[in-house]
Amino acid sequence: SYVLTQPPSVSVAPGKTARITCGGNNIGSKSVHWYQQKPGQAPVLVIYYDSDRPSGIPERFSGSNSGNTATLTISRVEAGDEADYYCQVWDSSSDIRVFGGGTKLTVL
Amino acid sequence: QVQLQESGPGLVKPSQTLSLTCTVSGGSISSGGYYWSWIRQHPGKGLEWIGYIYYSGSTYYNPSLKSRVTISVDTSKNQFSLKLSSVTAADTAVYYCARATLDGVLDYWGQGTLVTVSS
Repeated sequence: SYVLTQPPSVSVAPGKTARITCGGNNIGSKSVHWYQQKPGQAPVLVIYYDSDRPSGIPERFSGSNSGNTATLTISRVEAGDEADYYCQVWDSSSDIRVFGGGTKLTVL
Repeated sequence: QVQLQESGPGLVKPSQTLSLTCTVSGGSISSGGYYWSWIRQHPGKGLEWIGYIYYSGSTYYNPSLKSRVTISVDTSKNQFSLKLSSVTAADTAVYYCARATLDGVLDYWGQGTLVTVSS
């Protein structure tokens, strides 16, 4: 089965840049989507197709994907960005429908 | 604006069947173009695909749950449902329904419902 590996936690000071990685075998050949989940709430899509942002998501959120690592980048981090972040890969041709284990972003 | 709302019992006894329904508003399941999905999250843990259904009735189930899962759709009520049989405490989780594009982008989610398996 296909496994996505995320760091359990990332910490960043306000105003700095946070990078959350998602590792998977040749993940660069697949589309990666990212979700933000705040405590007690449902996940919210923040990045899709590696780097596209849904309407309403700040430009501070960006994504990239190459080789064996996809990355969610949050620039000028704010206290309100503190949340769990999940990557997701869907590749029906390879029967892959998985989430990463999630990363807790802490704003110091 | 599409909205999804889960409903069903919050407490299920071990060995029984968990049954949840997701009611969709602001969009029609029968229009096609989306997979109607169930995802769960164990307490303090990550997200897990359960499966999904297309309006035509075709389904996908997570292989790890396949033997116990049934997802069905009622287009006349604009609802889809989840049944998970022979539940144990390990099935205690928040269950979400969500809409997925045909490329798997989960663009709309329900608020989630906690189901506890306990006698």
